[in-house]
Amino acid sequence: AQSVAQPEDQVNVAEGNPLTVKCTYSVSGNPYLFWYVQYPNRGLQFLLKYITGDNLVKGSYGFEAEFNKSQTSFHLKKPSALVSDSALYFCAVRANTGGFKTIFGAGTRLFVKA
Amino acid sequence: GAVVSQHPSWVICKSGTSVKIECRSLDFQATTMFWYRQFPKQSLMLMATSNEGSKATYEQGVEKDKFLINHASLTLSTLTVTSAHPEDSSFYICSASSQGAEAFFGQGTRLTVV
Repeated sequence: AQSVAQPEDQVNVAEGNPLTVKCTYSVSGNPYLFWYVQYPNRGLQFLLKYITGDNLVKGSYGFEAEFNKSQTSFHLKKPSALVSDSALYFCAVRANTGGFKTIFGAGTRLFVKA
Repeated sequence: GAVVSQHPSWVICKSGTSVKIECRSLDFQATTMFWYRQFPKQSLMLMATSNEGSKATYEQGVEKDKFLINHASLTLSTLTVTSAHPEDSSFYICSASSQGAEAFFGQGTRLTVV
């Protein structure tokens, strides 16, 4: 069975500082990995995905994520945080077989302080 | 990316009535659609997977008679919450995928049962 863990409920960072939101996963076979952001009472906005290729994936709004197969991790990063980055972030994993279900982590709330 | 539209964005209904939520893929044919439920400050929980023209596959613990899913065409899936009660109040999100490719998410529907 596939699963996703986001070990931090909340991450606090000062504006201008780098941020990292952690994610580890478990899935049979090669994973498809995603990061989404959600603002209050809104749907999900896609940030980036890893399917194959370079381990460092660049996405929207200056975010990037590094796929580490040995550690089964896919941490989200940004070199310089903005106050407007404050939101709820979800990591998700999808198996590429058996129904292609996408399973989400519990979410990490990011607070960026001015 | 592809566009998935959910309607309505929000709905208030009386306890005991049924509510239908539509999920449409606007610019691609969605062979598979997924329905999620999100409680306040929690992650997205997969409710069911529906493939066009066949019965939906429900996740464990989801009442299929309570949450009726129809995927009659390649661009439309509906979720009907039957005999709604206040505990069914939640944020419902659909996603759509074509032939196992990346899934795209709707903007969500906020259901409030009074």
